[in-house]
Amino acid sequence: KAGVTQTPRYLIKTRGQQVTLSCSPISGHRSVSWYQQTPGQGLQFLFEYFSETQRNKGNFPGRFSGRQFSNSRSEMNVSTLELGDSALYLCASSGGQGASYEQYFGPGTRLTVT
Amino acid sequence: AQTVTQSQPEMSVQEAETVTLSCTYDTSENNYYLFWYKQPPSRQMILVIRQEAYKQQNATENRFSVNFQKAAKSFSLKISDSQLGDTAMYFCAFMKLHQGAQKLVFGQGTRLTINP
Repeated sequence: KAGVTQTPRYLIKTRGQQVTLSCSPISGHRSVSWYQQTPGQGLQFLFEYFSETQRNKGNFPGRFSGRQFSNSRSEMNVSTLELGDSALYLCASSGGQGASYEQYFGPGTRLTVT
Repeated sequence: AQTVTQSQPEMSVQEAETVTLSCTYDTSENNYYLFWYKQPPSRQMILVIRQEAYKQQNATENRFSVNFQKAAKSFSLKISDSQLGDTAMYFCAFMKLHQGAQKLVFGQGTRLTINP
């Protein structure tokens, strides 16, 4: 089975721009979660989607949003980028057979805001 | 809110030695899950082992085992016969399922180096 894939892997944007990141979960997984990883704040939960509905949300400003499609693929969008948004954005999927709460991560998208 | 604390920012051991990474957490919940994830230099986060809080038996996965002390809210990871490929950041994580919704709360991580 293919793992979680994320595109693009690297991205450089300018302050004020917006960006869209994509995540394709493991086949059969219906839950997709997003995390932000920075040296200062560590790993922080952004949001989780299940069956096209946001099921859980972290403490991030409204500039961070996401959505999930009927095939479980998910996108997250960051509008009006700030320098502090530079981070590794990790996507994880879960919901397979057995331990449906085990989250499996993609390789991440490295976003640099200049 | 739940918090996870890893008190060892860095550790270093020789190949083939045994090493134990510490993790404590704070929660008022009774049912939850605990995980250890490994993040090597490639940055790919890899699930190492999981523990369900309702299970008294400690989880094991080959060379990896945990010591789960529910009353003490402690969840340490033991790596036996350490290998060079074990060099990575290790994150302890907590999850409480709320109406099915999932959210991992991570510790700050322990950087583990295995020396030849």
